[in-house]
Amino acid sequence: NAGVTQTPKFHILKIGQSMTLQCTQDMNHNYMYWYRQDPGMGLKLIYYSVGAGITDKGEVPNGYNVSRSTTEDFPLRLELAAPSQTSVYFCASSYGTGHETQYFGPGTRLLVL
Amino acid sequence: KQEVTQIPAALSVPEGENLVLNCSFTDSAIYNLQWFRQDPGKGLTSLLLIQSSQREQTSGRLNASLDKSSGRSTLYIAASQPGDSATYLCAVRFPMDSNYQLIWGAGTKLIIKP
Repeated sequence: NAGVTQTPKFHILKIGQSMTLQCTQDMNHNYMYWYRQDPGMGLKLIYYSVGAGITDKGEVPNGYNVSRSTTEDFPLRLELAAPSQTSVYFCASSYGTGHETQYFGPGTRLLVL
Repeated sequence: KQEVTQIPAALSVPEGENLVLNCSFTDSAIYNLQWFRQDPGKGLTSLLLIQSSQREQTSGRLNASLDKSSGRSTLYIAASQPGDSATYLCAVRFPMDSNYQLIWGAGTKLIIKP
């Protein structure tokens, strides 16, 4: 099993541009999450999903959108990128009620200039 | 507001030493607490998960303890090795939160010197 995969690994985006970060898991997990990690800080939850077709906001959702059309995929869309969105983005998944261990992808490092 | 704090931010010790990493949280009414390891350029790996009803969990050379009354958890690493060098993150889930959120500490960067 590949686990949780993310693409791209690194990207430079210009201010005002948009892009989609891809996340796929092959563990048939119901729950998926997007986090951002800023230098010297803990992870912050952006959006999460409890199943296909169901998404909800986390702590820092502004400037982002998500969709969950399949169990496997949970893309994160950045609209009108701003320098404040420079960060490392992690996708994670878990099987159960959301109270179990989460499995993380390798992350996407995004630089907005 | 619920917060999770990890002190120190960085720690460097010689190989072979036993060491303790600390995690503190502001609300004792937690659901569970997890310790993760983060290697540069890689994702996070779950090390240990302690439910609120448990006092400790062990995996190999790692032992995590939980003291809810004092709002603290420790991660004990025995006989440290250079391969243990990584950033260790503590994350707490509080039962009153309905968004399945983990509240994260900023991590302790551990360097084991050969």
